Amino acid sequence: EVQLVESGGGLVQPGGSLRLSCAASGFTFGDYAMTWVRQAPGKGLEWVSYISGGGNTKYYADSVKGRFTISRGNAYNSLYLQMNSLRAEDTAVYYCARESLTFGGLIVNWGQGTLVAVSS
Amino acid sequence: DIQMTQSPSTLSASVGDRVTITCRASQSISSWLAWFQQKPGKAPKLLIYKTSSLESGVPSRFSGSGSGTEFTLTISSLQPDDFATYYCQYYNSYSRTFGQGTKVEIK
Repeated sequence: EVQLVESGGGLVQPGGSLRLSCAASGFTFGDYAMTWVRQAPGKGLEWVSYISGGGNTKYYADSVKGRFTISRGNAYNSLYLQMNSLRAEDTAVYYCARESLTFGGLIVNWGQGTLVAVSS
Repeated sequence: DIQMTQSPSTLSASVGDRVTITCRASQSISSWLAWFQQKPGKAPKLLIYKTSSLESGVPSRFSGSGSGTEFTLTISSLQPDDFATYYCQYYNSYSRTFGQGTKVEIK
């Protein structure tokens, strides 16, 4: 069974930093592209960042480009999101997600999410 | 960038109703469209991919159709478990864009 478990969320002041982690199990982690999606309170889904299975290709939403960095540790079955220069508008539940092997960009599995709150 | 627009934003319906949600793309996306269901406090769940392919385990009352710029999600007979928010998503190797969501409420 595919399992994705996020951690690292919490309350942080504007301008601060936070590192999210996602522990994956139930599949060969390094074979799959991974993505982060966030959801602000009471709002819709927003794609944040993508990383290929080998970690060589990364994409970011314009709203986080230059502030967030996605990475992965295939030996540890882990995905990360380093978030710097955090703003109030970054407040959201952050979901780690696994993409399809067959269809690029199709999100097929989701973690339960971790809440990031940016406030003074 | 391609924008995805869902309508309606909210839909009130009764158990047993046939429900249709529309998703429009700002330009042609071929058939690269997925639908997700999300319940409060839970992660989204994939229902349909490539416009009309049903994800394993999803009830057959859910169906998808369309191509190009206009797509629909249909629930043939609404069940109590179906009251939720539904999102469309355009996807390809470089883009992942969600619609703003449609909340299906109890009438």
